[in-house]
Amino acid sequence: AQSVTQPDIHITVSEGASLELRCNYSYGATPYLFWYVQSPGQGLQLLLKYFSGDTLVQGIKGFEAEFKRSQSSFNLRKPSVHWSDAAEYFCAVASGYSTLTFGKGTMLLVSP
Amino acid sequence: DGGITQSPKYLFRKEGQNVTLSCEQNLNHDAMYWYRQDPGQGLRLIYYSQIVNDFQKGDIAEGYSVSREKKESFPLTVTSAQKNPTAFYLCASSIVAATTEAFFGQGTRLTVV
Repeated sequence: AQSVTQPDIHITVSEGASLELRCNYSYGATPYLFWYVQSPGQGLQLLLKYFSGDTLVQGIKGFEAEFKRSQSSFNLRKPSVHWSDAAEYFCAVASGYSTLTFGKGTMLLVSP
Repeated sequence: DGGITQSPKYLFRKEGQNVTLSCEQNLNHDAMYWYRQDPGQGLRLIYYSQIVNDFQKGDIAEGYSVSREKKESFPLTVTSAQKNPTAFYLCASSIVAATTEAFFGQGTRLTVV
C-alpha cells in the first residue's frame, strides 16, 4: 500500500528566509505526487503536482518541489517565505486509479 | 464560477442523531470523495465514487453512508453508529481518478454534543 511521511509536524521560519518541507513516499512504481496547502478552517488548494518528466516542478505562490526517485522524496521549497505562507501543508501520493493518500501535514509558522 | 460547494459550514447535532452533509460540484467531474480531518491525523478517506450510482468504501467507512444519484452531488450521512463523529469533513472531486488534480470544498465542521 502507498504511504506518505511528513517528518516535521511543525516548522517555524523567519519571514524572508528559505523554506524546505520534507515528504517521503512509499510506492513501488512511479507515483503521482502533490503538495496541497490549507489555511485554518478552509479546504485544500493545490500548490503543484508531479506526474512525469522534469523532476523539478514549479507551482503557484513561488513554490517548487523536486522529485528524487532514489530517495523516495518530494520536498517542497520556497526561496523567501512571506507571512501569508503560514498554513498547513500536505503532501499526497496517488497511483494508477487509486485514491489520494495524504501525509499528516506540516504546520508552517512564520516569525517576523 | 466552477467549484465545489459544501454546506453547511458549521453543523451541531445531538449524540445519537444522523446528520447529512451536502457536497455539490459543477465542474463536470466524474469522481468525488469524502475525507475526514482530525488534528494531527491528516486526511483520511471515508468514501469515494468514480461514477454515478457506484461508490466504494475508503479507509474509515464505518458509521458513514453515501449516495451518488446525480453526477453533481455526493452527500455524506454520519450515522449514530459513528463513535466519534466530531471532525472537519472535506469533499473533493476530480476528472476521472485521483491521479488527476483533486479540487476541494471549503469543508463542514461537525460538532456532536
